[in-house]
Amino acid sequence: GEDVEQSLFLSVREGDSSVINCTYTDSSSTYLYWYKQEPGAGLQLLTYIFSNMDMKQDQRLTVLLNKKDKHLSLRIADTQTGDSAIYFCAERNRDDKIIFGKGTRLHILP
Amino acid sequence: EPEVTQTPSHQVTQMGQEVILRCVPISNHLYFYWYRQILGQKVEFLVSFYNNEISEKSEIFDDQFSVERPDGSNFTLKIRSTKLEDSAMYFCASSAQGTAGNTIYFGEGSWLTVV
Repeated sequence: GEDVEQSLFLSVREGDSSVINCTYTDSSSTYLYWYKQEPGAGLQLLTYIFSNMDMKQDQRLTVLLNKKDKHLSLRIADTQTGDSAIYFCAERNRDDKIIFGKGTRLHILP
Repeated sequence: EPEVTQTPSHQVTQMGQEVILRCVPISNHLYFYWYRQILGQKVEFLVSFYNNEISEKSEIFDDQFSVERPDGSNFTLKIRSTKLEDSAMYFCASSAQGTAGNTIYFGEGSWLTVV
């Protein structure tokens, strides 16, 4: 069945770049997303990429998509303490359903 | 920027009670969704709704659950007789289009605690 996998934890020093990786299984995915969830808060859409693109940049965020390997990554440049959150990778399949990963908790070291 | 709003932000209810979670989707959106996240687990799809009917539902969405669009703006999720395992964050979402569309926008969630 469809699945989205991502590592559960990532620790990064403030000012360094964070790279959060994700793999997915459904080759018919139309859109791939990164959502951010801060403690006690809802899901905030950070960025998305259409499946026929391989890169998208939005300020400090860079999304890379390798469709052949079904691998998606989110790079956050110059990581700040405010970036501390859980980052969810998600895919939107042809049935219009969003399948989420378990989320990667990003911890910022001083 | 337009947003999906949900009420209540947090509700505590006794087991067996009925709960209604409310959502106001983005005004020109046509597709509506409910997802839930049990603490520490994945965000899971519950149901999608289009043209005043359910278009798809997951195995979680059993007879205890129902959805309704009672007027032109609200979209509700009702849990008829809550169980302890219904405790979760419930997210409403909406999108302008279905599979041909771009993004799905989520609300901030409603925390449901069943005691």
